[in-house]
Amino acid sequence: DVQLVESGGGLVQPGGSLRLSCAASGFTFDDYAMHWVRQAPGKGLQWVAGITWNGRSTAYADSVKGRFTISRDIGKTSLYLQLNSLRPDDTAFYYCAKSRGSDLKWHFDIWGRGSLVTVSS
Amino acid sequence: QSVLTQPPSVSAAPGQKVTISCSGSGSNIGNNYVSWYQQLPGRAPTLLIYDHNQRPSGIPDRFSGSWSGTSATLAITGLQTGDEADYYCGAWDSSLSVVLFGGGTKLTVL
Repeated sequence: DVQLVESGGGLVQPGGSLRLSCAASGFTFDDYAMHWVRQAPGKGLQWVAGITWNGRSTAYADSVKGRFTISRDIGKTSLYLQLNSLRPDDTAFYYCAKSRGSDLKWHFDIWGRGSLVTVSS
Repeated sequence: QSVLTQPPSVSAAPGQKVTISCSGSGSNIGNNYVSWYQQLPGRAPTLLIYDHNQRPSGIPDRFSGSWSGTSATLAITGLQTGDEADYYCGAWDSSLSVVLFGGGTKLTVL
């Protein structure tokens, strides 16, 4: 079965850092671009960041640019999101999503269950 | 960053049809494929429609997508109570180099 499993969420103070992980299985991980999408409680979906199949190209939403870093480890078939300088409005469920293709423009055909990040003092 | 525009809510009775619109611009819907996602209460989103009008395997043909210019539409026929969910459109924006989502539409089956 194709599966994405996020981990690493939790409670963090404003200004703090966190690293999310997404373990992929059931498909050839290094053939596809990957993304992070978040959803604040009771709100809509917001794309956060994406990375191409080979990790050479990344893109970020303006709201996280300079604070978040997306990366991937092909050997471990894992996707990561480093969250720095966290703010209360970063509080959300963070979903890992697989792209249909190798670059960033394709739709998301597989989603993880999400990991909750809460930023609060 | 801008979002794609969807109505906040739609409703209809079981067995009827609803449509959900998604409006964008030339740099997103006008030049890139639209996809639609269904999010059932308390669940992660799942892919419903891709490439404007294609259904993944397992999605019933009650769900269909269409596209014209800078707008797209999701249609659901033969509504069932199990279709109650939030629906989101999404597309790549070639000018901004970002993925955009619509604000989401809550479907209520009366």
